[in-house]
Amino acid sequence: DQQVKQNSPSLSVQEGRISILNCDYTNSMFDYFLWYKKYPAEGPTFLISISSIKDKNEDGRFTVFLNKSAKHLSLHIVPSQPGDSAVYFCAASKPGGGADGLTFGKGTHLIIQP
Amino acid sequence: DTAVSQTPKYLVTQMGNDKSIKCEQNLGHDTMYWYKQDSKKFLKIMFSYNNKELIINETVPNRFSPKSPDKAHLNLHINSLELGDSAVYFCASRLEGGKTQYFGPGTRLLVL
Repeated sequence: DQQVKQNSPSLSVQEGRISILNCDYTNSMFDYFLWYKKYPAEGPTFLISISSIKDKNEDGRFTVFLNKSAKHLSLHIVPSQPGDSAVYFCAASKPGGGADGLTFGKGTHLIIQP
Repeated sequence: DTAVSQTPKYLVTQMGNDKSIKCEQNLGHDTMYWYKQDSKKFLKIMFSYNNKELIINETVPNRFSPKSPDKAHLNLHINSLELGDSAVYFCASRLEGGKTQYFGPGTRLLVL
């Protein structure tokens, strides 16, 4: 029972263009969403997050959009750079102390082509 | 200045053995976690622990047990290792009141 879904296992984007990674969730209890970036043989690195009371959060080249009614969020990277090539995980948490951890999607492998 | 560290990075062992993975965080965080990334690449929560309580994901076999000697450490003990335990195990930590978790580099466990 996947509560967080990333339906694109991989995405190839040309350098300089916009990368859009999508994520859907099913559990209405989630109130906070995070994106992590992961290189091979390393741990996930926090990238950007958004609370359910917002619909957009921006940090430099990275913007996350949240559509609560559609239970959908997306990560936009613009312009895309070669160093952005990695696996991107969408994660969600419920209210409270976070004791039950984050629920992750399966990840999208982003490939930035020169 | 590593924030969350894990040792060892790689662990190869035989079925039936008992092994431990160590995790340390120097962020002053209050809550620590263990996640398992299986062959299908899903990252799933196994445990969360702060100085008040341990929460165990009900799907985790009782052969797995976390031990916290102090606030900065949460070690993972695994008894009677099985082939299906082969995975990458990630430790993470979070500051109480915060929502972001910070991950260690992972321990790649292979059970033969």
